[in-house]
Amino acid sequence: DGGITQSPKYLFRKEGQNVTLSCEQNLNHDAMYWYRQDPGQGLRLIYYSQIVNDFQKGDIAEGYSVSREKKESFPLTVTSAQKNPTAFYLCASSSSGRGAYEQYFGPGTRLTVT
Amino acid sequence: AQSVTQLGSHVSVSEGALVLLRCNYSSSVPPYLFWYVQYPNQGLQLLLKYTSAATLVKGINGFEAEFKKSETSFHLTKPSAHMSDAAEYFCAVSERWGGKLIFGQGTELSVKP
Repeated sequence: DGGITQSPKYLFRKEGQNVTLSCEQNLNHDAMYWYRQDPGQGLRLIYYSQIVNDFQKGDIAEGYSVSREKKESFPLTVTSAQKNPTAFYLCASSSSGRGAYEQYFGPGTRLTVT
Repeated sequence: AQSVTQLGSHVSVSEGALVLLRCNYSSSVPPYLFWYVQYPNQGLQLLLKYTSAATLVKGINGFEAEFKKSETSFHLTKPSAHMSDAAEYFCAVSERWGGKLIFGQGTELSVKP
């Protein structure tokens, strides 16, 4: 079955620690995205990548880092510089280029930092 | 710049009643538009998308949306609500190149028995 996997589903960390969230897709999509979701604020774009070895900052990139070494994988690191890291994180992928390409979403990772 | 506004952060309907979730967009070029649904603690699932082929778009689970250029709207409707429709719904607009989406703030739909 094709799709996007995110692991783990729930993640707990102590303040001051970096943590990496996994995102893998087998849809052969060129583009991948990371969103943060907080209650009442919709989805906010953190980083996106339209091709391997290239990525761009989204609206709220401060305190986060990413890599795109493989087409299938787009891990997100939440660093200790992120002031309010507790949130629901969603990864998505899509085709890219000219056209109406919907994004396919993973099940999400709920990160709690105390 | 493109933007999306969803009117009403919470909508409550009775089971069997009409569902109407409102979405207005701002775009300098003809947009691509999407509606997604999210159940608690899950990812988003595509309900339907508008790609300029037809102004009335039918999606999954009995939902449909009509693109109205004159009103810059893309409202989501369903004739008869089911309890299972209770979820959060997001409207999104995309650039014509690249796949990047701009999401609205979301509308939480409650369905009363």
